[in-house]
Amino acid sequence: EDKVVQSPLSLVVHEGDTVTLNCSYEVTNFRSLLWYKQEKKAPTFLFMLTSSGIEKKSGRLSSILDKKELFSILNITATQTGDSAVYLCAVEATGGTSYGKLTFGQGTILTVHP
Amino acid sequence: NAGVTQTPKFQVLKTGQSMTLQCAQDMNHNSMYWYRQDPGMGLRLIYYSASEGTTDKGEVPNGYNVSRLNKREFSLRLESAAPSQTSVYFCASSRQGLYEQYFGPGTRLTVT
Repeated sequence: EDKVVQSPLSLVVHEGDTVTLNCSYEVTNFRSLLWYKQEKKAPTFLFMLTSSGIEKKSGRLSSILDKKELFSILNITATQTGDSAVYLCAVEATGGTSYGKLTFGQGTILTVHP
Repeated sequence: NAGVTQTPKFQVLKTGQSMTLQCAQDMNHNSMYWYRQDPGMGLRLIYYSASEGTTDKGEVPNGYNVSRLNKREFSLRLESAAPSQTSVYFCASSRQGLYEQYFGPGTRLTVT
């Protein structure tokens, strides 16, 4: 059974802090790992990672994948109150009838205080 | 473009009632998905449709049925609602291949 575990489950920081969110996985036939940000409603896409060691960046957010150790991290530097959200990690498997199926972790609740 | 739309936004059902959640996308995506989200459990895949005319079970399909009506629309039906189906339901769609999934705004369903 595919499994995705995120840590920590919740995190409280102050504006300006740097945070690191973790995602480890056990998936048969790994295809990609995705990070989403979820505020009040629908998850919104942040990154898709398919290759080890290649950092993806978008402003203050960055992410990297280690396919040997089966984990990914999401870094947020100089946090702002608008970064407060649930951050979801998901892994896509492929092969057979598993095409396109995402397995999600529980999410990390990030709260940024002014 | 509206992206992925879902109706209704909120619904309260009594145990044993049936209902259909509607989802439509205007991005010409081939693949569509239904998830449920419960506190502390992330999102879990109920059913998905890799392309028009095909559907397949996800992680938690029991108690649900789906219909891929055409390329745009993918509906989720609860034939006899149970309190355990109280959840937030998200529809998503994606292009085939290594592409991200786009999510609709969700339907909050309460079964009493």
